[in-house]
Amino acid sequence: DAGVTQSPTHLIKTRGQHVTLRCSPISGHKSVSWYQQVLGQGPQFIFQYYEKEERGRGNFPDRFSARQFPNYSSELNVNALLLGDSALYLCASSPTAYEQYFGPGTRLTVT
Amino acid sequence: GENVEQHPSTLSVQEGDSAVIKCTYSDSASNYFPWYKQELGKGPQLIIDIRSNVGEKKDQRIAVTLNKTAKHFSLHITETQPEDSAVYFCAASTATNRDDKIIFGKGTRLHILP
Repeated sequence: DAGVTQSPTHLIKTRGQHVTLRCSPISGHKSVSWYQQVLGQGPQFIFQYYEKEERGRGNFPDRFSARQFPNYSSELNVNALLLGDSALYLCASSPTAYEQYFGPGTRLTVT
Repeated sequence: GENVEQHPSTLSVQEGDSAVIKCTYSDSASNYFPWYKQELGKGPQLIIDIRSNVGEKKDQRIAVTLNKTAKHFSLHITETQPEDSAVYFCAASTATNRDDKIIFGKGTRLHILP
């Protein structure tokens, strides 16, 4: 079975630009969560969506937004990029309220 | 909110020996404790988890223990092998039907020495 897929794998952007990251969950999983992982740290929760509705939001500014589509795939959008937004962005899908399975991530570099 | 502390940050063990990583959590409402292994350039991989109604769980060479009273949980890897070298994260979640965000520790870099 295919795991969680994310695109693109790598991305380089300039300060002030915006970026869209994409995620396809494991087939049958209806919940998608987004995490930011800065080098040397554990992942930090950004958003969770279930059945296209936002279920949770972490402590991130309004420049970060997300949505989930009818096929359960998801997009994470970040506006007005800052140098500090450089990180690995991880998507996780979940079949229940417990286990979350992560994709390989998108490495975002802001210059 | 929930806070997860993880120790040690780095751990080196001889191949064949055991490794133990310890974590504490702050929110007594947390009811789900997963452990993830992350290799270089990859996303975190769920290796084992435990729910709050269980004190211990084992899967081959890996075991987790949970002490709800002390808010401690630990990962034990026995008979370590070179492929166990990676960064390991403990995490805690208050899994409900409305919200199951995972709060991660800062990670332990495990080195298996030949």
